[in-house]
Amino acid sequence: DQQVKQNSPSLSVQEGRISILNCDYTNSMFDYFLWYKKYPAEGPTFLISISSIKDKNEDGRFTVFLNKSAKHLSLHIVPSQPGDSAVYFCAAILDQGAQKLVFGQGTRLTINP
Amino acid sequence: DGGITQSPKYLFRKEGQNVTLSCEQNLNHDAMYWYRQDPGQGLRLIYYSQIVNDFQKGDIAEGYSVSREKKESFPLTVTSAQKNPTAFYLCASSIWANTGELFFGEGSRLTVL
Repeated sequence: DQQVKQNSPSLSVQEGRISILNCDYTNSMFDYFLWYKKYPAEGPTFLISISSIKDKNEDGRFTVFLNKSAKHLSLHIVPSQPGDSAVYFCAAILDQGAQKLVFGQGTRLTINP
Repeated sequence: DGGITQSPKYLFRKEGQNVTLSCEQNLNHDAMYWYRQDPGQGLRLIYYSQIVNDFQKGDIAEGYSVSREKKESFPLTVTSAQKNPTAFYLCASSIWANTGELFFGEGSRLTVL
């Protein structure tokens, strides 16, 4: 039972353009969502998060959008840079007291020069 | 610098052998976690610990064991009972009851020969 799904295993974007990574979830009780970035042979690093009471959170080139009615989360990167090439995982948490994150399968983003 | 150190980075094991992966953190975090990553899959939780001398099973605990004798250390033993142990193992830590932001180590890749 995959509660958090990233249906695109890979995405290729030209440098300077917008990258949009998508994530769907099934559990309406999730109250916090996060994006992690992972380079090969390294651990993931936290990128950006959003509370379920918001619909948008922005941090520099990264913006996360939350559509609760559609149970859909997206990460926008603009402009895309070569260093953004990595695997991106979305994750969700049920309540802030329980630290059991549920991760999606990941999307490999490649930024082409 | 504060962080999480995992060792060894690469490990080979013969079938039937137990192996222990080390995880040490100097972030003074209460909570520590072990995740497993397989190709095309998200991170799956093996075990987590909120405080010293206490730990809980995650989603895929069978064939694994942990201990938490010190706040800084959370070693994972992959036992011979784990049917498919070849994977990338990630240790993480966090302040308990935060918004899900985990700090990950660089990972340990275990290959069973």
